[in-house]
Amino acid sequence: GAGVSQSPRYKVAKRGQDVALRCDPISGHVSLFWYQQALGQGPEFLTYFQNEAQLDKSGLPSDRFFAERPEGSVSTLKIQRTQQEDSAVYLCASSLAQGIIYNEQFFGPGTRLTVL
Amino acid sequence: SQQGEEDPQALSIQEGENATMNCSYKTSINNLQWYRQNSGRGLVHLILIRSNEREKHSGRLRVTLDTSKKSSSLLITASRAADTASYFCATDTGKLIFGQGTTLQVKP
Repeated sequence: GAGVSQSPRYKVAKRGQDVALRCDPISGHVSLFWYQQALGQGPEFLTYFQNEAQLDKSGLPSDRFFAERPEGSVSTLKIQRTQQEDSAVYLCASSLAQGIIYNEQFFGPGTRLTVL
Repeated sequence: SQQGEEDPQALSIQEGENATMNCSYKTSINNLQWYRQNSGRGLVHLILIRSNEREKHSGRLRVTLDTSKKSSSLLITASRAADTASYFCATDTGKLIFGQGTTLQVKP
């Protein structure tokens, strides 16, 4: 596809359930990022991959959050034992080059997670 | 935690008017980027200004950067109804740190 795609677009989970959110970056993009955006707020950085290597996971809010990109393309963000405070839009972005500095990031439409 | 503060939080103008949004930040940066987000959609990159640049233009957009004051502004000239969106500044410190955004409404 022409852009970053994410699935599902909407996810409703009961508190305590595990969820998996998928991101398909633009083909050939080396870098991949996950962000969490609460209602009315700007996106907050969660984690960064360069190819299959997770170089920065400092933004993951707890050990219930886990991200992987095993083959350096598609990425999955997994949230275990979801809590109500996990309700947010989860955005994925990719960029062509290595590193973050000076590189434009292309964002997907996001997955809106609602935890009941 | 978010680095930047954006001002105003909300702005409502008539079509054809100019819109100015401001962003302040706290730490040293490599560059500063502005993004637009339409309701329910992902972010779209608008413009990037490097830390050694003071002003940059792209179409109807003009961005300024004052590193001594740790602030940036985004000017949209001759606004259109289609410019209605939320606008975010993001500072590049090795990772992108977004502000809380300015919600712009352009009335036709």
